[in-house]
Amino acid sequence: NAGVTQTPKFQVLKTGQSMTLQCAQDMNHNSMYWYRQDPGMGLRLIYYSASEGTTDKGEVPNGYNVSRLNKREFSLRLESAAPSQTSVYFCASSEGIPGQTEAFFGQGTRLTVV
Amino acid sequence: GNSVTQMEGPVTLSEEAFLTINCTYTATGYPSLFWYVQYPGEGLQLLLKATKADDKGSNKGFEATYRKETTSFHLEKGSVQVSDSAVYFCALSDYANTGNQFYFGTGTSLTVIP
Repeated sequence: NAGVTQTPKFQVLKTGQSMTLQCAQDMNHNSMYWYRQDPGMGLRLIYYSASEGTTDKGEVPNGYNVSRLNKREFSLRLESAAPSQTSVYFCASSEGIPGQTEAFFGQGTRLTVV
Repeated sequence: GNSVTQMEGPVTLSEEAFLTINCTYTATGYPSLFWYVQYPGEGLQLLLKATKADDKGSNKGFEATYRKETTSFHLEKGSVQVSDSAVYFCALSDYANTGNQFYFGTGTSLTVIP
């Protein structure tokens, strides 16, 4: 009964370092999403994947890249981390049926860039 | 476009008090509406949902009614408990050519004191 699993849970990076956040879901969902959560700003969409093989930019894509490796996995990459990317990152998945189903979230990755 | 506006926090209530968190939305189509709850250090969990006008979602004593005429989905609970202390997010989903999209409010922090 795993749902959406994110790794790692915590990470500290130095400015300029790169890293990949991993996300996997076991619900056979078509759609997957990456959000960042910052105080007072709610959740902002970074990238999403409506289905396997497709990815699209969200509200705040700059500085990030994504890969939809297969139907289960959707990774987020920071090529050159900046302090402005300090945030909590959430991966989510959804069935993708028109407007009818909720998003399921992972536990989050707390990233600090120093 | 689509957007969600919810009541600013933080909200502090005494145990057994009545809770209302206001949420209004703007949508171009026929969205589904959700309330999510986030406990400290965790991801977002679905609290309740409503998929069409006049539907009432309910769970764990919380209720919200999808009001199309006022574009609102206010969250209510008759008697809050300390364990209800969390951040609450109102959200909508709308289906577009690029798949299911979710839009979140900025969140309302609730603290319930004994």
